Amino acid sequence: EPEVTQTPSHQVTQMGQEVILRCVPISNHLYFYWYRQILGQKVEFLVSFYNNEISEKSEIFDDQFSVERPDGSNFTLKIRSTKLEDSAMYLCASSREGLTEAFFGQGTRLTVV
Amino acid sequence: GQQLNQSPQSMFIQEGEDVSMNCTSSSIFNTWLWYKQDPGEGPVLLIALYKAGELTSNGRLTAQFGITRKDSFLNISASIPSDVGIYFCAGQLGAGGYQKVTFGTGTKLQVIP
Repeated sequence: EPEVTQTPSHQVTQMGQEVILRCVPISNHLYFYWYRQILGQKVEFLVSFYNNEISEKSEIFDDQFSVERPDGSNFTLKIRSTKLEDSAMYLCASSREGLTEAFFGQGTRLTVV
Repeated sequence: GQQLNQSPQSMFIQEGEDVSMNCTSSSIFNTWLWYKQDPGEGPVLLIALYKAGELTSNGRLTAQFGITRKDSFLNISASIPSDVGIYFCAGQLGAGGYQKVTFGTGTKLQVIP
């Protein structure tokens, strides 16, 4: 069964460093999303991406964040200068069409020290 | 913004018991989704509901899309230990094109063998 895959599963980084989180959405999906879940809290929307551009972003998604689809399969989230409060599980999701259900990856647990 | 509140926040039940959890929204949604999240994992889609009043089953799970489009419930019958996890409701409001998923606050389920 097709699935969304994310790498790495865990990443530890020093405050101020740049990190890139990688996702491979389901192959025939057109809409891609990043969400964040701080430990013990609910899942929060960060950004959606369609047709090689951002469709919508939340207030969390400030200038230190960027997304890119560098090729036909990968979808990345870059955090330019990490802060302690960026520590969270980052979840990638994709949907076939915008109005169909989104399928999530296993997540990348980011720890900023 | 749209708020989704789930109840109860957490529950302990005996194996074999039935479970019911609810989700209410401050605004309407066109699609309701129920996800289950295991510790350290991404959310896994359980059931998707597309029409007001729709009642859908997936094995021991049954979910309904409220008539007002502002609420949904999920029932689990004859619970088993592997039902343990956090259950999130989520809503999508389609208006052509994509729409992000808004997550509820989660219901943590513990099953006592």
